[in-house]
Amino acid sequence: AQKITQTQPGMFVQEKEAVTLDCTYDTSDPSYGLFWYKQPSSGEMIFLIYQGSYDQQNATEGRYSLNFQKARKSANLVISASQLGDSAMYFCAMRARFDNQGGKLIFGQGTELSVKP
Amino acid sequence: EAGVTQFPSHSVIEKGQTVTLRCDPISGHDNLYWYRRVMGKEIKFLLHFVKESKQDESGMPNNRFLAERTGGTYSTLKVQPAELEDSGVYFCASSQDWGGVSYEQYFGPGTRLTVT
Repeated sequence: AQKITQTQPGMFVQEKEAVTLDCTYDTSDPSYGLFWYKQPSSGEMIFLIYQGSYDQQNATEGRYSLNFQKARKSANLVISASQLGDSAMYFCAMRARFDNQGGKLIFGQGTELSVKP
Repeated sequence: EAGVTQFPSHSVIEKGQTVTLRCDPISGHDNLYWYRRVMGKEIKFLLHFVKESKQDESGMPNNRFLAERTGGTYSTLKVQPAELEDSGVYFCASSQDWGGVSYEQYFGPGTRLTVT
């Protein structure tokens, strides 16, 4: 069975510092994708970053980077130089290639990040 | 280009009543997904449409939930009769593709359903 685990219900970070949000996953499928979404208080889900299981390098998108450790089955999100606007709920999600009828995403429980001025 | 829209944004109903949620995907997106987040828990998949056909409805909790997608455009999710445990945020997402692992699903803002 596929599963995503986010063990940090809430995190605090000082503005301008870096923060790491943890995500571990479980799948027996050799082909899968890992996603991070941000959900601010307004409610919309914003796609941040994607990592494929066969990608050799860690994904980066601006201030976001994904620390992908395949052997450990972890896909932690690193936000550099935190900004007040980064305060939000963050979800880690996975999509497996074969054990999946139609591409649904499996989500973790989320981590609520608060950035302090 | 307009994003995924959902209506209403918030609905409060009494136990036993019926509620219908609507989702309008991004124009041209054949794939439409429904997800639900119960308070404090993970977001869970409900079902997936490809055009007007149900591709995967393995996440639908029970037969009180009925999803339709008329003509492959907008979709509705009806809960009848609603129970207290149905409270949560219902998200809709759409995408052009579904065959690989890397494509992005675009999410709507969600409908917050409160059953009292």
